[in-house]
Amino acid sequence: GESVGLHLPTLSVQEGDNSIINCAYSNSASDYFIWYKQESGKGPQFIIDIRSNMDKRQGQRVTVLLNKTVKHLSLQIAATQPGDSAVYFCAETKSSNTGKLIFGQGTTLQVKP
Amino acid sequence: EAGVVQSPRYKIIEKKQPVAFWCNPISGHNTLYWYRQNLGQGPELLIRYENEEAVDDSQLPKDRFSAERLKGVDSTLKIQPAELGDSAVYLCASSQETGWGRGELFFGEGSRLTVL
Repeated sequence: GESVGLHLPTLSVQEGDNSIINCAYSNSASDYFIWYKQESGKGPQFIIDIRSNMDKRQGQRVTVLLNKTVKHLSLQIAATQPGDSAVYFCAETKSSNTGKLIFGQGTTLQVKP
Repeated sequence: EAGVVQSPRYKIIEKKQPVAFWCNPISGHNTLYWYRQNLGQGPELLIRYENEEAVDDSQLPKDRFSAERLKGVDSTLKIQPAELGDSAVYLCASSQETGWGRGELFFGEGSRLTVL
């Protein structure tokens, strides 16, 4: 499953499928981007980050892609599991001041068993 | 190792009443943040501390909000008087480094405020 356009509040996928969550960032001066996962009733949790000198970065079952030309970020989750159900936020900042994160509005990922 | 601890988890008050939230960051983390998260939105930074110093409070509504971080460890965030629009989750986070460091913030579970 994939969220399309600039922002889709909810993405529903079948367990085992791949998920793609998209994010458009606003500040062309931002050069450092992070994805956070927030489960219900909990605070956001760091997933993966990427700097603007990279187009792609892989983690465990997750891949982040960065397209600076169109100011677009995506998070790919392979073999989506029920435990991946959460709200996913992208955040942008300048790497010289990583303390000032600007969060996007978030996408809810629902995984159907 | 304990994570970021916040209290209370839930608070219901009537408008115009005061309220305070407390945060204990991860041991050794010099940077502490207070964020506000409205329903269905991403967190928004209210204030950031480097040790005891508030280095970014540009988004803190200073007419009714105040924060302190005595001794560079625990922090409190106060609202007085509370308004209906203050209903939100107040998140505390800490990190080891900012500047050119990794932007991994460790968040607490938040304090959910409801103003009636």
